[in-house]
Amino acid sequence: DAMVIQNPRYQVTQFGKPVTLSCSQTLNHNVMYWYQQKSSQAPKLLFHYYDKDFNNEADTPDNFQSRRPNTSFCFLDIRSPGLGDAAMYLCATSRSLRQSKETQYFGPGTRLLVL
Amino acid sequence: SQQGEEDPQALSIQEGENATMNCSYKTSINNLQWYRQNSGRGLVHLILIRSNEREKHSGRLRVTLDTSKKSSSLLITASRAADTASYFCATSGGSNYKLTFGKGTLLTVNP
Repeated sequence: DAMVIQNPRYQVTQFGKPVTLSCSQTLNHNVMYWYQQKSSQAPKLLFHYYDKDFNNEADTPDNFQSRRPNTSFCFLDIRSPGLGDAAMYLCATSRSLRQSKETQYFGPGTRLLVL
Repeated sequence: SQQGEEDPQALSIQEGENATMNCSYKTSINNLQWYRQNSGRGLVHLILIRSNEREKHSGRLRVTLDTSKKSSSLLITASRAADTASYFCATSGGSNYKLTFGKGTLLTVNP
């Protein structure tokens, strides 16, 4: 089935140790998003790619980077994780940026624990 | 900010009862969407209602939108234990591509 896949589902890292989360999609969507969701909070958009164009949200810390080597894959790199970065990270896709018509398709998320 | 605010924050009902969740937002919108999130999982899109629509149905779901009050409601009829989840509203408006999510309502349906 076409879907958005995130690996791993759970990731444990050490304070300050770089970590990479991955997302892949079989929907052939142009847009891929990364959200951060802390416990009992709303998902917060970190950045998105429209094709190869990267768009960072103004309040996304520099500690967070992303790569999209091809249409199917997108990575979230956290260069120096702090305790405050422990959260669920959600990847999502949409066909276009026309939110008036588009819905977003979410992966199951990766829960990051920072020790 | 367009951020939606859901009300109530938590709702507990018995199986078979109806559940109503409300969402309020601050600025004009193109559409409002409702998503469900099971514990520890990703979000699943439920329904999208455009700013020129007032009501929309999908199975046991009924969504209303009142743009004059900047509010929406999600009604789940004949609830089931499997409906237990968090429900989020999300808005987008103007030329803004972003979906802005509210904090969600945690619905618990007791068997």
